[in-house]
Amino acid sequence: QSVLTQPPSASGTPGQRVTISCSGSSSNIGNNYLYWYQQLPGTAPKLLIYRNNHRPSGVPDRFSGSKSGTSASLAISGLRSEDEAGYYCAAWDDSLSGWVFGGGTKLTVL
Amino acid sequence: EVLLVESGGGLVQPGGSLRLSCAASGFTFSSYAMSWVRQAPGKGLEWVSGFSGSGGRTYYADSVKGRFTISRDDSKNTLYLQMNSLRAEDTAVYFCAKGGDAYIKRGEFDYWGQGTLVSVSS
Repeated sequence: QSVLTQPPSASGTPGQRVTISCSGSSSNIGNNYLYWYQQLPGTAPKLLIYRNNHRPSGVPDRFSGSKSGTSASLAISGLRSEDEAGYYCAAWDDSLSGWVFGGGTKLTVL
Repeated sequence: EVLLVESGGGLVQPGGSLRLSCAASGFTFSSYAMSWVRQAPGKGLEWVSGFSGSGGRTYYADSVKGRFTISRDDSKNTLYLQMNSLRAEDTAVYFCAKGGDAYIKRGEFDYWGQGTLVSVSS
């Protein structure tokens, strides 16, 4: 049971917009930044969104993040086949004094 | 170019020990927090342990507290994870990850190694 809650799966067709949610509590998302990571099959995770809604250089602007209270979401617009991957949210948890991840969402591009 | 290379994984019996290493290059190692994150086969990511930069403190997930010890040698640009009393549930790929800040709670994991597999089985 992960501290942050994500849907286990999501799907969309090419060109569509999909969103992935991440729910937590006041000790993590509510009081700290939220981050998103993308993990392509068989590879290490890659930073996708930092500090709630910032994209590292090289990440397409099709990816966007938002946060409100103790929840956050990742939106992917103009879905492409190469977006098929696992997506994880993460935040520091003040009560646990450690990082917590969501269980991950497997995105399928139909 | 930032590079993180893990080593030290392998097959170990339950109750055994293993030490993982993460050799870092391409940045001022001592100035950044570093963490270990693991992923059990077919499962999600789990943060294991972290070390703040510039001689900061260490942090552990409850699942490994008292069994694992994180350390760093800033003169060798290397992060370590000493794993004792290993259990079957510790079987996972262990990733080394660089923090985006010296303070572990403030920075994202902006670079990751390729991971090293630890298998705990008799």
